[in-house]
Amino acid sequence: ETAVFQTPNYHVTQVGNEVSFNCKQTLGHDTMYWYKQDSKKLLKIMFSYNNKQLIVNETVPRRFSPQSSDKAHLNLRIKSVEPEDSAVYLCASSHRGGRDTQYFGPGTRLLVL
Amino acid sequence: AQKVTQTQTSISVVEKTTVTMDCVYETRDSSYFLFWYKQTASGEIVFLIRQDSYKKENATVGHYSLNFQKPKSSIGLIITATQIEDSAVYFCAMREPNTGYQNFYFGKGTSLTVIP
Repeated sequence: ETAVFQTPNYHVTQVGNEVSFNCKQTLGHDTMYWYKQDSKKLLKIMFSYNNKQLIVNETVPRRFSPQSSDKAHLNLRIKSVEPEDSAVYLCASSHRGGRDTQYFGPGTRLLVL
Repeated sequence: AQKVTQTQTSISVVEKTTVTMDCVYETRDSSYFLFWYKQTASGEIVFLIRQDSYKKENATVGHYSLNFQKPKSSIGLIITATQIEDSAVYFCAMREPNTGYQNFYFGKGTSLTVIP
């Protein structure tokens, strides 16, 4: 049963455009994440967000930014997309710390033309 | 440096046999947690099984079990009586609760193909 929701499923855009992806979790978790998965299936953490504390992977380009209205939502904005941004973006959530696992959303596939 | 390493890029096995997928990790924490996830062809990532570092017993869930060798920093995933639907990419992950970060460290994944 899906408990981490992402929209859209798929998005095609052109270089230079701005895009925004939505993520919502209904698990009552206090920490949310964004991952980028490339064509080789490599999972790269981009951001984690907990109690208004944002932790950023320093390798993430500044055109990427997370946006949160509350602990159940963590959206991802890309200000000016580049061809290398084509990938699957996965949202996840968990309880802070400890032994709890992450739960993943179905992902948003981005294609930049 | 890679904190979680999966050296097997892909594995093929015949249906109903047993397969083991390797994973080694690196940590300085005395307490940590190890996870295995499965990513199906649809892209869905699901949690399979967890091993707590302070537990000596190997975790088992259904036809998944773990081979936890703490001195070797190794956590292998064993799937017995494999089925066609076990074909997927399997990720090993580690969580360090004391680093102050919320991150999970993932390996690069092992692609499993189960052949009829």
